[in-house]
Amino acid sequence: GAGVSQSPSNKVTEKGKDVELRCDPISGHTALYWYRQRLGQGLEFLIYFQGNSAPDKSGLPSDRFSAERTGESVSTLTIQRTQQEDSAVYLCASSAVPGQGRQYFGPGTRLTVT
Amino acid sequence: GIQVEQSPPDLILQEGANSTLRCNFSDSVNNLQWFHQNPWGQLINLFYIPSGTKQNGRLSATTVATERYSLLYISSSQTTDSGVYFCAVLTGGGNKLTFGTGTQLKVEL
Repeated sequence: GAGVSQSPSNKVTEKGKDVELRCDPISGHTALYWYRQRLGQGLEFLIYFQGNSAPDKSGLPSDRFSAERTGESVSTLTIQRTQQEDSAVYLCASSAVPGQGRQYFGPGTRLTVT
Repeated sequence: GIQVEQSPPDLILQEGANSTLRCNFSDSVNNLQWFHQNPWGQLINLFYIPSGTKQNGRLSATTVATERYSLLYISSSQTTDSGVYFCAVLTGGGNKLTFGTGTQLKVEL
């Protein structure tokens, strides 16, 4: 596609529910990243996928967070038993050059946990 | 981990003015990028500049890797330049970008 796409654009959920966020990277980009941005703050790294290698999960804040990616295509970020502190914008980025290249961001998913 | 500091935190300009945004980082980097986050939240990649100088229209950036800083220059600012500017760095062997806290820019008529 022309750019990174994410869905849904907005998600409101009740505390304790599970949510699943989706990211479609730029076609041909082998590297995919998830970040979280809390209101008024910078971006926090969550997880990185590169091809079929084991993902770098070092940024996931708790075991309620998980992510999957099939090959070099779509990725899903799942948050189980959501808490109010999970409210944030979740941003996905992709890069043609693993680790070293320019990262291109999607529009994000705004998650609100009530 | 690496620390990334940006200054100033906030900046208000009159349209047509020039400005310089600074990014300091605490360790050697091999990847530095500047982003603009518009008021709707979209992050736009402005520059990939681990060293040297690049220009793109009214924007230019310079990274002096040996002195651990980068500068983003905005000339003849326009209201559409408003938003938050982030620099982000990646250290050797790492996979993640570490973002600075950003500079909030508002350009007024």
